[in-house]
Amino acid sequence: DTGVSQDPRHKITKRGQNVTFRCDPISEHNRLYWYRQTLGQGPEFLTYFQNEAQLEKSRLLSDRFSAERPKGSFSTLEIQRTEQGDSAMYLCASSPPGRPNEKLFFGSGTQLSVL
Amino acid sequence: DQQVKQNSPSLSVQEGRISILNCDYTNSMFDYFLWYKKYPAEGPTFLISISSIKDKNEDGRFTVFLNKSAKHLSLHIVPSQPGDSAVYFCAASDTGANSKLTFGKGITLSVRP
Repeated sequence: DTGVSQDPRHKITKRGQNVTFRCDPISEHNRLYWYRQTLGQGPEFLTYFQNEAQLEKSRLLSDRFSAERPKGSFSTLEIQRTEQGDSAMYLCASSPPGRPNEKLFFGSGTQLSVL
Repeated sequence: DQQVKQNSPSLSVQEGRISILNCDYTNSMFDYFLWYKKYPAEGPTFLISISSIKDKNEDGRFTVFLNKSAKHLSLHIVPSQPGDSAVYFCAASDTGANSKLTFGKGITLSVRP
């Protein structure tokens, strides 16, 4: 069990640029989640995949955000035309088959800074 | 609208004493509750959970109590250890509605040696 892996750990970009983050879940986990955390707040749900299907999306996920999980394994989160308000920690989590809300395993996150 | 509230931003306790971390929620549809611990530069780590059909769940030094009528839960850590110093997040879900967890803002626990 190598845990949930996220890459990169840190990303600094200029406003208006596109960025892409990658998440590799725990291998036997079929569920994958993206959350966003800003300073002083708890993680906020962005989107959820079961295998390759994106089953839920938050209102927080504007049209500039897109997430994919093409083969039901790793996932990518892309932010187009970044804005300063996108600066946050982006957390990926996975969970095994079973009730989806239980015991998520989180990665260490990607810290995005938009200048 | 904060559906999960952790009103105390920080707590400091002496090593060996009890730590009590509180959490309130407003959504009566929440039926599953979790506590996560987070160290700096790491993702949150699952600590303990409780279903709404129970009022207590215990795992070693950690016990979670749920009072549904008051929409309140608490995490007790006994005895507290310096390694418990971290940010603790309360989270809740409506398992019949969707797959998301709603988190509180977190409480920073400091355990003094």
